[in-house]
Amino acid sequence: GDSVTQMEGPVTLSEEAFLTINCTYTATGYPSLFWYVQYPGEGLQLLLKATKADDKGSNKGFEATYRKETTSFHLEKGSVQVSDSAVYFCALSVPSGTYKYIFGTGTRLKVLA
Amino acid sequence: DAEITQSPRHKITETGRQVTLACHQTWNHNNMFWYRQDLGHGLRLIHYSYGVQDTNKGEVSDGYSVSRSNTEDLPLTLESAASSQTSVYFCASSDREGFTDTQYFGPGTRLTVL
Repeated sequence: GDSVTQMEGPVTLSEEAFLTINCTYTATGYPSLFWYVQYPGEGLQLLLKATKADDKGSNKGFEATYRKETTSFHLEKGSVQVSDSAVYFCALSVPSGTYKYIFGTGTRLKVLA
Repeated sequence: DAEITQSPRHKITETGRQVTLACHQTWNHNNMFWYRQDLGHGLRLIHYSYGVQDTNKGEVSDGYSVSRSNTEDLPLTLESAASSQTSVYFCASSDREGFTDTQYFGPGTRLTVL
């Protein structure tokens, strides 16, 4: 069935370090792919998305490229800040007549000053 | 600004009691969802609704019910609360059909069942 697998956390980095959070997926159709971010005490909010192969989503210095050949959507940022500390969720949605929106288990990122 | 609100933000109840969690959105979205978030499980879908008078079960719907009498509200009811239902509950909404679009989340309700 359809699924999302993302790397286990927590990920701890120093400020200005390079960030990669891996996400791979399995889907029967042609999914849209998303990264959501959850700051402490808040709900999830969309960080970026890509709706077809080779699309790159970007926002707030974060980027992710929809790679159909490797079924991946890895999240990257060149220089993280303390304010990026949060939980990051990869998700996919497959167009169908019924609900098909699947979230990964989340990766906690902690950035140290 | 449009938003999605949940109440209460925190709730402590006892086993066996009926509990209702409120969700209200001003996005005018047709689709609404209830999730629970538990460590190691990410988000799991409880119920969802395409529109008024429509409700559907998600992957963890046992012990929960919803009703949709208008576009703005989707209350979640725990018929007889159990300790296994201690969790953080999130309501979300989205606009387009097929659920391929962005979901907008409320701030969550932390429920403790003693």
